[in-house]
Amino acid sequence: GAVVSQHPSWVICKSGTSVKIECRSLDFQATTMFWYRQFPKQSLMLMATSNEGSKATYEQGVEKDKFLINHASLTLSTLTVTSAHPEDSSFYICSAQARGGGTGELFFGEGSRLTVL
Amino acid sequence: SQQGEEDPQALSIQEGENATMNCSYKTSINNLQWYRQNSGRGLVHLILIRSNEREKHSGRLRVTLDTSKKSSSLLITASRAADTASYFCATDAFSWGKLQFGAGTQVVVTP
Repeated sequence: GAVVSQHPSWVICKSGTSVKIECRSLDFQATTMFWYRQFPKQSLMLMATSNEGSKATYEQGVEKDKFLINHASLTLSTLTVTSAHPEDSSFYICSAQARGGGTGELFFGEGSRLTVL
Repeated sequence: SQQGEEDPQALSIQEGENATMNCSYKTSINNLQWYRQNSGRGLVHLILIRSNEREKHSGRLRVTLDTSKKSSSLLITASRAADTASYFCATDAFSWGKLQFGAGTQVVVTP
């Protein structure tokens, strides 16, 4: 099946620094990618929808200036957590929708665990 | 916001037994999906059931959907230790791909 790769799989950073997480579709083109956040023992919460070549659409309550999303190509979306703080520590997961939209199958990455000290 | 609620929150069974978990949601949906997540890992898609379907099978999995009650169930038959994971239902009430996940059921299968 199609593969979505996330990098890094885990990262530890100091408070105040910025961290970039990449989401790549390895063998298909993804016009749309989705970013989720998952706190320990909780469910996934949709943060934003990333569309290739346009601005991301953020869910209510998600700060767009804190979580910068860039979808510059059909195979890559990045999430940058700016000025990270301990409360941003979480598991970030992306999913990608194959080009063609509609009901194209979704593929999830393996997630990136961020720990902010 | 979270669309679905799942019960039970946790389920502990022995190998060979069946595991049943339920999911309820709040709004009309196009389809409902079930995912599995091993600890600290990404999601694995298990099965999708459309709003006009009532039951679907895939291997040892059986999913039902009752749109009148806004609920779905996932049955894993003849469970194995490898089935130990968290299971989430997800709906796309708003648009395809923008999934709203349930709270999840943590299943532990002991040998």
